[in-house]
Amino acid sequence: GAVVSQHPSRVICKSGTSVKIECRSLDFQATTMFWYRQFPKQSLMLMATSNEGSKATYEQGVEKDKFLINHASLTLSTLTVTSAHPEDSSFYICSAGTGFGNTIYFGEGSWLTVV
Amino acid sequence: LAKTTQPISMDSYEGQEVNITCSHNNIATNDYITWYQQFPSQGPRFIIQGYKTKVTNEVASLFIPADRKSSTLSLPRVSLSDTAVYYCLVGDTGNTPLVFGKGTRLSVIA
Repeated sequence: GAVVSQHPSRVICKSGTSVKIECRSLDFQATTMFWYRQFPKQSLMLMATSNEGSKATYEQGVEKDKFLINHASLTLSTLTVTSAHPEDSSFYICSAGTGFGNTIYFGEGSWLTVV
Repeated sequence: LAKTTQPISMDSYEGQEVNITCSHNNIATNDYITWYQQFPSQGPRFIIQGYKTKVTNEVASLFIPADRKSSTLSLPRVSLSDTAVYYCLVGDTGNTPLVFGKGTRLSVIA
């Protein structure tokens, strides 16, 4: 199946700093990518839809100025957590549609720990 | 976006067939049904997708009745490594976000 890759898989940052997570579609072009966060023992929560060449669409309650999303190319979307706080510590997952049929594939996820 | 309802958890012994049913009463005409498997600290892994009737691949079968208001994921002869959370989702295109429900936590016992 199609491959979606995230980097880094784990990152630790200090409170107040910013951290960037990359999401790449390795063998297909993705005009749309999606970002989720997941807390332990909970389901995935959709944060935003990332559209290539345009502004991201954020879900209600997600701060767009805190979670900056850039989708500058058809194979790369980035999520930047700005001024990180310990409560931002979570598992962040991206996904992308292949454009062939209706299948969406997910990345491996990125663990963010804010200390 | 159609909501889905699944059992919260299921237990099974190794070697048994496991059937997980998902309800999606408000499924739209253009919606497909997709099942994902998630292990701890990993992203969801695609298992199978269908629109109607029956779909089978090398790991699972998906049964969808004519009214499409439910679907059943069938895992033949499960092993311990099938212990995971299974999510049923519905959506209309590869460019529409999937909204996750709580999923079904499957525990396979030796």
